[in-house]
Amino acid sequence: NAGVTQTPKFQVLKTGQSMTLQCAQDMNHNSMYWYRQDPGMGLRLIYYSASEGTTDKGEVPNGYNVSRLNKREFSLRLESAAPSQTSVYFCASSEVGESGAFFGQGTRLTVV
Amino acid sequence: QKEVEQDPGPLSVPEGAIVSLNCTYSNSAFQYFMWYRQYSRKGPELLMYTYSSGNKEDGRFTAQVDKSSKYISLFIRDSQPSDSATYLCAQNAGGTSYGKLTFGQGTILTVHP
Repeated sequence: NAGVTQTPKFQVLKTGQSMTLQCAQDMNHNSMYWYRQDPGMGLRLIYYSASEGTTDKGEVPNGYNVSRLNKREFSLRLESAAPSQTSVYFCASSEVGESGAFFGQGTRLTVV
Repeated sequence: QKEVEQDPGPLSVPEGAIVSLNCTYSNSAFQYFMWYRQYSRKGPELLMYTYSSGNKEDGRFTAQVDKSSKYISLFIRDSQPSDSATYLCAQNAGGTSYGKLTFGQGTILTVHP
């Protein structure tokens, strides 16, 4: 049982390049989330999907887009990467009636 | 002002000490509180979960919520070097948004032998 799997684990981008971060969960959860973690800031919610077919903005959505491909998969896209998007990105999933959210291992992204 | 405030530390204690980690929150509408533990270069893992106010105990860990003062605490008894990690408090709205969380900044804890 893998839980929440993120790919890639590391990535270096040049300013202006685009990329998609992939996330898949095998816990049959309805809700999925993308967070970013920066030093001194804790984790901040970028986008979430309460259920398949729906997506909503979180606290810091600017510069990102998401796609809920199916119940298992939720991707995060950076259309034109900026140095301010250098961060560690975490995908998470949750279900009603379960405690909290389950997180993946993260993607370390550096934009130069 | 962040909705959830947490002293980032770092906090260094000797093995066997009692550790107290604290957060304050501002939004009284959200009544689900969590503590996550995050080892270096790993994802956060849920440690404790409480609803509304009161205490919850799990082994060496006790989570406490004081709604009157909007204070969240995590106590670790008989701390071990393996407890060395970043501890994150979080608050959420519950319902269908169990994973829609507001986090504190995290406290870095080191337990030295």
